[in-house]
Amino acid sequence: AQTVTQSQPEMSVQEAETVTLSCTYDTSENNYYLFWYKQPPSRQMILVIRQEAYKQQNATENRFSVNFQKAAKSFSLKISDSQLGDTAMYFCAFMSYTGTASKLTFGTGTRLQVTL
Amino acid sequence: EAQVTQNPRYLITVTGKKLTVTCSQNMNHEYMSWYRQDPGLGLRQIYYSMNVEVTDKGDVPEGYKVSRKEKRNFPLILESPSPNQTSLYFCASSYLEPTGELFFGEGSRLTVL
Repeated sequence: AQTVTQSQPEMSVQEAETVTLSCTYDTSENNYYLFWYKQPPSRQMILVIRQEAYKQQNATENRFSVNFQKAAKSFSLKISDSQLGDTAMYFCAFMSYTGTASKLTFGTGTRLQVTL
Repeated sequence: EAQVTQNPRYLITVTGKKLTVTCSQNMNHEYMSWYRQDPGLGLRQIYYSMNVEVTDKGDVPEGYKVSRKEKRNFPLILESPSPNQTSLYFCASSYLEPTGELFFGEGSRLTVL
Protein backbone atom coordinates (compact mmCIF):
# COMPACT_ATOMS: atom_id res chain seq x y z
CA ALA A 1 0.00 0.00 0.00
CA GLN A 2 1.13 3.50 -0.76
CA THR A 3 1.68 6.00 2.02
CA VAL A 4 2.17 9.75 1.88
CA THR A 5 3.84 11.62 4.72
CA GLN A 6 3.76 15.34 5.38
CA SER A 7 5.91 15.96 8.42
CA GLN A 8 5.10 19.64 8.90
CA PRO A 9 1.62 20.10 10.40
CA GLU A 10 1.92 23.89 10.37
CA MET A 11 4.16 26.46 8.75
CA SER A 12 4.31 30.22 8.62
CA VAL A 13 5.91 32.55 6.08
CA GLN A 14 6.01 36.26 5.60
CA GLU A 15 4.46 37.86 2.57
CA ALA A 16 6.81 37.96 -0.45
CA GLU A 17 9.11 35.32 1.07
CA THR A 18 9.66 31.76 -0.15
CA VAL A 19 8.52 28.64 1.67
CA THR A 20 8.98 24.93 1.02
CA LEU A 21 6.51 22.26 2.08
CA SER A 22 7.81 18.73 2.42
CA CYS A 23 6.28 15.47 1.27
CA THR A 24 7.62 11.95 1.13
CA TYR A 25 5.91 8.84 -0.13
CA ASP A 26 6.41 5.14 -0.20
CA THR A 27 5.58 2.91 -3.14
CA SER A 28 6.93 -0.08 -5.00
CA GLU A 29 5.47 1.08 -8.30
CA ASN A 30 7.41 2.76 -11.06
CA ASN A 31 4.61 4.61 -12.82
CA TYR A 32 2.66 7.07 -10.74
CA TYR A 33 1.64 10.68 -10.38
CA LEU A 34 2.07 13.21 -7.63
CA PHE A 35 -0.07 16.22 -6.82
CA TRP A 36 -0.28 19.16 -4.49
CA TYR A 37 -3.78 20.32 -3.60
CA LYS A 38 -4.65 23.55 -1.82
CA GLN A 39 -7.62 23.87 0.53
CA PRO A 40 -8.34 27.49 1.51
CA PRO A 41 -10.79 28.37 4.31
CA SER A 42 -13.62 27.97 1.79
CA ARG A 43 -12.83 24.19 1.97
CA GLN A 44 -12.68 23.89 -1.81
CA MET A 45 -9.97 21.50 -3.01
CA ILE A 46 -7.87 23.16 -5.71
CA LEU A 47 -5.17 21.45 -7.75
CA VAL A 48 -1.92 23.42 -7.47
CA ILE A 49 0.55 21.34 -9.43
CA ARG A 50 1.02 17.86 -10.89
CA GLN A 51 4.11 15.75 -11.61
CA GLU A 52 4.39 12.57 -13.65
CA ALA A 53 6.95 10.17 -12.18
CA TYR A 54 8.45 9.34 -15.59
CA LYS A 55 9.35 12.98 -16.18
CA GLN A 56 12.68 14.09 -14.78
CA GLN A 57 11.93 17.78 -15.20
CA ASN A 58 10.33 19.39 -12.18
CA ALA A 59 6.85 20.83 -12.74
CA THR A 60 6.30 24.57 -12.44
CA GLU A 61 3.12 26.63 -12.31
CA ASN A 62 3.78 30.35 -11.95
CA ARG A 63 4.96 30.89 -8.34
CA PHE A 64 4.63 27.19 -7.49
CA SER A 65 7.31 24.64 -8.28
CA VAL A 66 8.24 21.19 -7.07
CA ASN A 67 11.46 19.42 -6.26
CA PHE A 68 10.85 15.83 -7.30
CA GLN A 69 13.48 13.36 -6.13
CA LYS A 70 12.33 9.96 -7.37
CA ALA A 71 15.10 7.90 -5.79
CA ALA A 72 14.51 9.55 -2.43
CA LYS A 73 10.72 9.41 -2.90
CA SER A 74 10.45 13.07 -2.07
CA PHE A 75 8.11 15.66 -3.58
CA SER A 76 8.38 19.10 -2.00
CA LEU A 77 6.43 22.22 -2.98
CA LYS A 78 8.11 25.60 -3.19
CA ILE A 79 5.99 28.73 -3.09
CA SER A 80 7.82 31.86 -4.19
CA ASP A 81 6.76 35.44 -3.48
CA SER A 82 4.15 34.22 -0.99
CA GLN A 83 0.84 36.05 -0.98
CA LEU A 84 -1.86 36.34 1.67
CA GLY A 85 -4.13 34.32 -0.60
CA ASP A 86 -1.76 31.38 -0.30
CA THR A 87 -2.92 30.87 3.28
CA ALA A 88 -4.48 27.41 3.20
CA MET A 89 -4.08 23.75 4.02
CA TYR A 90 -1.86 22.00 1.49
CA PHE A 91 -2.18 18.31 0.75
CA CYS A 92 0.34 16.15 -1.05
CA ALA A 93 -1.24 13.25 -2.95
CA PHE A 94 -0.04 10.16 -4.78
CA MET A 95 -1.87 8.37 -7.55
CA SER A 96 -1.07 5.01 -9.04
CA TYR A 97 -2.66 3.76 -12.20
CA THR A 98 -2.76 0.16 -13.27
CA GLY A 99 -5.10 0.48 -16.24
CA THR A 100 -8.01 -0.91 -14.30
CA ALA A 101 -7.81 1.03 -11.07
CA SER A 102 -6.97 4.54 -10.03
CA LYS A 103 -6.48 5.57 -6.41
CA LEU A 104 -5.44 8.87 -4.93
CA THR A 105 -3.80 8.73 -1.50
CA PHE A 106 -3.44 11.94 0.50
CA GLY A 107 -1.04 13.05 3.18
CA THR A 108 -2.30 14.56 6.42
CA GLY A 109 -1.73 18.12 5.25
CA THR A 110 0.35 21.18 6.12
CA ARG A 111 -1.41 24.31 7.28
CA LEU A 112 0.36 27.34 5.81
CA GLN A 113 -0.14 30.81 7.24
CA VAL A 114 1.12 33.80 5.24
CA THR A 115 1.66 36.85 7.43
CA LEU A 116 2.25 40.54 6.75
CA GLU B 1 -19.83 25.33 -16.14
CA ALA B 2 -17.98 22.12 -15.33
CA GLN B 3 -18.67 21.16 -11.75
CA VAL B 4 -19.26 18.51 -9.12
CA THR B 5 -22.33 19.22 -7.02
CA GLN B 6 -22.91 17.79 -3.57
CA ASN B 7 -26.03 18.05 -1.44
CA PRO B 8 -26.63 18.79 1.32
CA ARG B 9 -23.70 21.06 2.14
CA TYR B 10 -24.49 20.93 5.85
CA LEU B 11 -26.48 18.36 7.80
CA ILE B 12 -27.07 17.63 11.45
CA THR B 13 -28.75 14.30 12.13
CA VAL B 14 -29.19 11.77 14.90
CA THR B 15 -27.74 8.31 15.36
CA GLY B 16 -29.50 5.67 13.28
CA LYS B 17 -31.41 7.94 10.94
CA LYS B 18 -30.62 6.94 7.38
CA LEU B 19 -29.30 9.67 5.13
CA THR B 20 -28.02 10.11 1.60
CA VAL B 21 -25.51 12.63 0.33
CA THR B 22 -25.94 13.15 -3.37
CA CYS B 23 -23.15 13.82 -5.86
CA SER B 24 -23.55 14.78 -9.47
CA GLN B 25 -21.00 15.75 -12.13
CA ASN B 26 -21.60 17.25 -15.56
CA MET B 27 -18.25 16.43 -17.19
CA ASN B 28 -19.01 12.89 -18.39
CA HIS B 29 -16.29 11.54 -16.10
CA GLU B 30 -15.97 7.78 -15.76
CA TYR B 31 -14.30 7.87 -12.35
CA MET B 32 -16.05 9.06 -9.19
CA SER B 33 -15.00 8.79 -5.58
CA TRP B 34 -15.97 9.72 -2.03
CA TYR B 35 -13.52 10.95 0.61
CA ARG B 36 -13.90 11.94 4.21
CA GLN B 37 -11.66 14.56 5.80
CA ASP B 38 -10.87 14.50 9.50
CA PRO B 39 -8.40 16.69 11.43
CA GLY B 40 -4.92 15.21 11.45
CA LEU B 41 -5.88 12.40 9.07
CA GLY B 42 -6.10 14.15 5.72
CA LEU B 43 -8.54 12.80 3.16
CA ARG B 44 -9.33 9.12 3.19
CA GLN B 45 -11.11 7.31 0.40
CA ILE B 46 -14.44 5.67 1.26
CA TYR B 47 -15.59 4.20 -2.05
CA TYR B 48 -14.85 4.73 -5.69
CA SER B 49 -16.40 3.84 -9.03
CA MET B 50 -14.62 3.26 -12.34
CA ASN B 51 -17.84 3.37 -14.36
CA VAL B 52 -21.57 2.68 -14.24
CA GLU B 53 -22.41 -0.34 -12.07
CA VAL B 54 -18.74 -0.69 -11.06
CA THR B 55 -17.91 0.27 -7.47
CA ASP B 56 -15.20 -0.74 -5.04
CA LYS B 57 -14.15 -0.13 -1.47
CA GLY B 58 -11.58 2.45 -0.53
CA ASP B 59 -9.68 2.63 2.74
CA VAL B 60 -12.60 3.34 5.12
CA PRO B 61 -15.81 1.81 3.68
CA GLU B 62 -17.37 0.57 6.92
CA GLY B 63 -20.79 2.09 7.57
CA TYR B 64 -21.21 3.43 4.03
CA LYS B 65 -22.85 2.30 0.82
CA VAL B 66 -22.73 3.69 -2.69
CA SER B 67 -24.38 3.06 -6.03
CA ARG B 68 -23.60 4.07 -9.60
CA LYS B 69 -26.73 3.58 -11.67
CA GLU B 70 -26.00 6.56 -13.91
CA LYS B 71 -22.68 7.93 -15.06
CA ARG B 72 -23.26 11.38 -13.61
CA ASN B 73 -24.49 10.40 -10.13
CA PHE B 74 -22.71 8.72 -7.23
CA PRO B 75 -24.69 8.98 -3.98
CA LEU B 76 -23.20 8.13 -0.59
CA ILE B 77 -25.59 6.34 1.75
CA LEU B 78 -25.29 6.09 5.51
CA GLU B 79 -27.79 3.41 6.49
CA SER B 80 -27.41 3.88 10.25
CA PRO B 81 -25.18 6.87 10.98
CA SER B 82 -23.08 6.93 14.13
CA PRO B 83 -21.20 9.81 15.80
CA ASN B 84 -17.86 8.56 14.44
CA GLN B 85 -19.14 9.38 10.97
CA THR B 86 -19.22 13.08 11.83
CA SER B 87 -16.88 14.48 9.21
CA LEU B 88 -16.40 16.61 6.12
CA TYR B 89 -17.21 14.62 3.00
CA PHE B 90 -15.97 15.26 -0.53
CA CYS B 91 -17.11 13.79 -3.79
CA ALA B 92 -14.67 13.90 -6.69
CA SER B 93 -14.61 12.85 -10.32
CA SER B 94 -12.16 12.55 -13.19
CA TYR B 95 -11.60 11.01 -16.58
CA LEU B 96 -10.23 7.51 -16.37
CA GLU B 97 -6.75 8.30 -17.61
CA PRO B 98 -3.38 8.33 -15.90
CA THR B 99 -3.13 12.07 -15.57
CA GLY B 100 -6.80 12.68 -14.98
CA GLU B 101 -7.20 15.60 -12.62
CA LEU B 102 -9.66 15.04 -9.80
CA PHE B 103 -12.43 17.63 -9.66
CA PHE B 104 -13.88 18.05 -6.19
CA GLY B 105 -17.28 19.07 -4.95
CA GLU B 106 -17.52 21.79 -2.33
CA GLY B 107 -17.83 19.37 0.56
CA SER B 108 -20.64 18.28 2.87
CA ARG B 109 -20.30 18.86 6.59
CA LEU B 110 -22.11 16.07 8.42
CA THR B 111 -22.73 15.99 12.17
CA VAL B 112 -24.22 12.89 13.78
CA LEU B 113 -25.50 13.43 17.31
